[in-house]
Amino acid sequence: EAGVTQFPSHSVIEKGQTVTLRCDPISGHDNLYWYRRVMGKEIKFLLHFVKESKQDESGMPNNRFLAERTGGTYSTLKVQPAELEDSGVYFCASSPRLAGVTQYFGPGTRLLVL
Amino acid sequence: QKEVEQNSGPLSVPEGAIASLNCTYSDRGSQSFFWYRQYSGKSPELIMSIYSNGDKEDGRFTAQLNKASQYVSLLIRDSQPSDSATYLCAVNKNAGNMLTFGGGTRLMVKP
Repeated sequence: EAGVTQFPSHSVIEKGQTVTLRCDPISGHDNLYWYRRVMGKEIKFLLHFVKESKQDESGMPNNRFLAERTGGTYSTLKVQPAELEDSGVYFCASSPRLAGVTQYFGPGTRLLVL
Repeated sequence: QKEVEQNSGPLSVPEGAIASLNCTYSDRGSQSFFWYRQYSGKSPELIMSIYSNGDKEDGRFTAQLNKASQYVSLLIRDSQPSDSATYLCAVNKNAGNMLTFGGGTRLMVKP
């Protein structure tokens, strides 16, 4: 069974540009999460989808971040316009709805904003 | 005060020794506790989950939970160089909800 995949693995952009990150969860997993780790800090929650609905977006830092999960399959996280402090590693995780809490993480997208 | 605290390390142990990793959390409403292992540049990989007070063993790994003291630990017996990684403690309040992570402890197992 394929794990959580994320694309791209790395992205280097300039301040003010737009970047879109993609996450493909494990097939059949209703829960999808986005997390971020900035340099020197712990991994922090951004938001949680159940299928296509946003269950919790309390961790989204500001309105420059937009997450979507159309059709309840893959998800995108768009940052527009990007700022220097958005640099970090963006992780996606998924879990099956009925099995509860175990979250399986993808490899992350390393974003560098110059 | 951080919600989940870990000593950043590095914790250095010789091969074959027991490595003891510790984590404290501030929210008494936390219900589920996890240890993830992360190799440099890789995704966090779940090692252990624990939900009730006491010990839970899985192979060389033992997780210990003390809710009264708000403390969770991970013991690695017979440590191997391949265990060298960053160990992340994570907690959550309700099934299916977000995880709150500690900063991680870097473990180095020396041959």
